[in-house]
Amino acid sequence: EAQVTQNPRYLITVTGKKLTVTCSQNMNHEYMSWYRQDPGLGLRQIYYSMNVEVTDKGDVPEGYKVSRKEKRNFPLILESPSPNQTSLYFCASSPRDRGYNEQFFGPGTRLTVL
Amino acid sequence: GQNIDQPTEMTATEGAIVQINCTYQTSGFNGLFWYQQHAGEAPTFLSYNVLDGLEEKGRFSSFLSRSKGYSYLLLKELQMKDSASYLCAVNPMNRDDKIIFGKGTRLHILP
Repeated sequence: EAQVTQNPRYLITVTGKKLTVTCSQNMNHEYMSWYRQDPGLGLRQIYYSMNVEVTDKGDVPEGYKVSRKEKRNFPLILESPSPNQTSLYFCASSPRDRGYNEQFFGPGTRLTVL
Repeated sequence: GQNIDQPTEMTATEGAIVQINCTYQTSGFNGLFWYQQHAGEAPTFLSYNVLDGLEEKGRFSSFLSRSKGYSYLLLKELQMKDSASYLCAVNPMNRDDKIIFGKGTRLHILP
């Protein structure tokens, strides 16, 4: 089944404890992206990647890192999480052969930082 | 820059028709998307408009007017499962890597 997977789905952690949220897609998509979704603010882009070894900042990159060593994986790293990073996180991927950027979203990761 | 406005919430009745509007101020864009998001779930793609006019896809239609900076999503024969948030998003000009999302419209369907 064509899909984007994220792990973990739910995570409660404490301030300063490094964590990684994994994202994987099996559709051979070149483009991948991370978003956070907060009440009243909508979906905001954190980082994106156009291809392997190519990453760039979105609108809210502070406090996050990403890497794209393989086409299928795009992990999101929080080196020192803080409570303001409590949010619902979505990973998305997109083919680039359609003339438009239709994004396929993972199921989401609900992160709470205490 | 880009600014996308949608109503925060709307209510409609099962079997009726509802129109969800989206207005935007942007320096230019390639196209406009609509996504559906059920509570607690991931957004899913509904439509993409690049040309002015109406695109129909079953019970859902999407309209775009570039000159007026305006789009709407039209849902016909509403069903209870249509209760969800509807996100308007634009793809800025020459930036096919970027999607700017509106804050979404939460649609409540009453029996």
